[in-house]
Amino acid sequence: DTGVSQDPRHKITKRGQNVTFRCDPISEHNRLYWYRQTLGQGPEFLTYFQNEAQLEKSRLLSDRFSAERPKGSFSTLEIQRTEQGDSAMYLCASSLPRGVTGELFFGEGSRLTVL
Amino acid sequence: AQTVTQSQPEMSVQEAETVTLSCTYDTSESNYYLFWYKQPPSRQMILVIRQEAYKQQNATENRFSVNFQKAAKSFSLKISDSQLGDTAMYFCAPLIIQGAQKLVFGQGTRLTINP
Repeated sequence: DTGVSQDPRHKITKRGQNVTFRCDPISEHNRLYWYRQTLGQGPEFLTYFQNEAQLEKSRLLSDRFSAERPKGSFSTLEIQRTEQGDSAMYLCASSLPRGVTGELFFGEGSRLTVL
Repeated sequence: AQTVTQSQPEMSVQEAETVTLSCTYDTSESNYYLFWYKQPPSRQMILVIRQEAYKQQNATENRFSVNFQKAAKSFSLKISDSQLGDTAMYFCAPLIIQGAQKLVFGQGTRLTINP
């Protein structure tokens, strides 16, 4: 399977704990996105990487959230001191550089439940 | 900032019927794409159809077609001969060509195809 993969698929944690999600994009895609989706809503943009550079962050990304893409390949999204409001599906997507199709390819998501 | 409005939270039709999902958006940009994405229950988001804003001809993809009214900023999706597998959340999303090329999603329409 050469699609976008995310790990873990499900994470249940207690409030105050730290969690980390990993995303492996399609190999030739240099753009990587993180979105958050709460139940019954559309995904909301969190942050975007072009290669290893984090070029845009949403105001939704509080200082408890940090994302990295150290070698321009996989990315991690860490949430520190989780709160119940962080419960959501965290989606990763990747795409080819500008000027191609503009299509984003999504992973299956990592569902976070904070108790 | 872009906004996307999908005014139909839920729709339900019988198999083989035709259904139209509406979407309006607001952007000051002139160069953008428009997408409809489908999110089946517990599965990943996949692209249904794509429209370049500079093209006047409406995109079609098998049973899926769009009605793109640029001046009205309207982008509806028509599904012909609906099938049970079309049951999903459908999201309308513009993508601005400049910068991050991030998708901005509407709140979605939950479409149920009944046998």
